[in-house]
Amino acid sequence: DQQVKQNSPSLSVQEGRISILNCDYTNSMFDYFLWYKKYPAEGPTFLISISSIKDKNEDGRFTVFLNKSAKHLSLHIVPSQPGDSAVYFCAAPDTGRRALTFGSGTRLQVQP
Amino acid sequence: DADVTQTPRNRITKTGKRIMLECSQTKGHDRMYWYRQDPGLGLQLIYYSFDVKDINKGEISDGYSVSRQAQAKFSLSLESAIPNQTALYFCATSDGQGALGDTQYFGPGTRLTVL
Repeated sequence: DQQVKQNSPSLSVQEGRISILNCDYTNSMFDYFLWYKKYPAEGPTFLISISSIKDKNEDGRFTVFLNKSAKHLSLHIVPSQPGDSAVYFCAAPDTGRRALTFGSGTRLQVQP
Repeated sequence: DADVTQTPRNRITKTGKRIMLECSQTKGHDRMYWYRQDPGLGLQLIYYSFDVKDINKGEISDGYSVSRQAQAKFSLSLESAIPNQTALYFCATSDGQGALGDTQYFGPGTRLTVL
């Protein structure tokens, strides 16, 4: 049973526009969420996180929104740049805080 | 220099062979992890270790074993490789402390092909 779900395997946007990547979770005990970015032939790199005590966290062009009642979070990238083209994973620490549970990823392509 | 390194980066082996993937880190973190990624899937946890004397199975540990040789080194072994173990393998570390303690830092990955 996938506890973290990314239902869109891919997304294509034009340079300069907004990219919105979505993530849903089923475990209401999750209280911290992370987004990772992965380029081909590289490991995932940490991008931004959010605690469940907040509904928004911003870092430069990247903003993560959390809707606890809907068990949904989204990553907004504004403005999108070609260098943002990568696979994005959302993740949450499991309830025992042993390791991270990952979504299946969304491949973002930013067209010049 | 990379904080988390993995060797080899690519490996092709045959069914039934024993293979070891190695991970080293210079971040000084106590916690280390091995994940596997298959196409279209997220990362799945194989094993994790919170210190040198602590080894724990993850969700897909069958067919794998690990060794934590030191705080900085965590190796993954396939005792008898099979084709469905063909995947990308990632090592990760975290310090488990404070507000960002759950953040994990990943190595570059090993692409393993079992023929």
